Amino acid sequence: GAVVSQHPSRVICKSGTSVKIECRSLDFQATTMFWYRQFPKQSLMLMATSNEGSKATYEQGVEKDKFLINHASLTLSTLTVTSAHPEDSSFYICSAWARTSDDYEQYFGPGTRLTVT
Amino acid sequence: QQQVKQSPQSLIVQKGGISIINCAYENTAFDYFPWYQQFPGKGPALLIAIRPDVSEKKEGRFTISFNKSAKQFSLHIMDSQPGDSATYFCAASAGGAGGYNKLIFGAGTRLAVHP
Repeated sequence: GAVVSQHPSRVICKSGTSVKIECRSLDFQATTMFWYRQFPKQSLMLMATSNEGSKATYEQGVEKDKFLINHASLTLSTLTVTSAHPEDSSFYICSAWARTSDDYEQYFGPGTRLTVT
Repeated sequence: QQQVKQSPQSLIVQKGGISIINCAYENTAFDYFPWYQQFPGKGPALLIAIRPDVSEKKEGRFTISFNKSAKQFSLHIMDSQPGDSATYFCAASAGGAGGYNKLIFGAGTRLAVHP
């Protein structure tokens, strides 16, 4: 299947600083990528849809100015958490649709664990 | 109407038994129904997916049963193994797979398979 990678896998930052998370499609091109946040023992919550070459579409309740998304190429989307606070500590996961032999399937990255101290 | 309701929240099964997880939806526009498996600290991994024109799909020990009239679909794990212990999520999307279509996830089921 298709491979989606994320970097870093874990990051610890101090309150008030910014953190950038990268999401790459390694063996396919993705004009659209999705960013999710997952709190412990909870489901995935879609934050935004990242579109190559255009502005991201944010879900209701997600602060656009806090979670900056850039989709600069067909294989890379980045999520920057600006002025991070402890409540932003979470597991961030990206995903993208990839063509298979008979359909599309959505593949997820391994996730990035963000801890804000 | 955008929700996907998943049950049970947690499930304990003996090794070799059958694990059954159910999901229900309201939005008749949903036409793609995947199941994902997630281990702690990892991203979700696609297990199996089904379209509404098929009532059942099997891949190895995993089977999706789909009931379009009842707007329900379920995951059956045959011969459950301790290595299957994970959290399972059902999901649905409208307008098919690919493109800008968003997946709507169920709340998840934590499966524990005891030896």
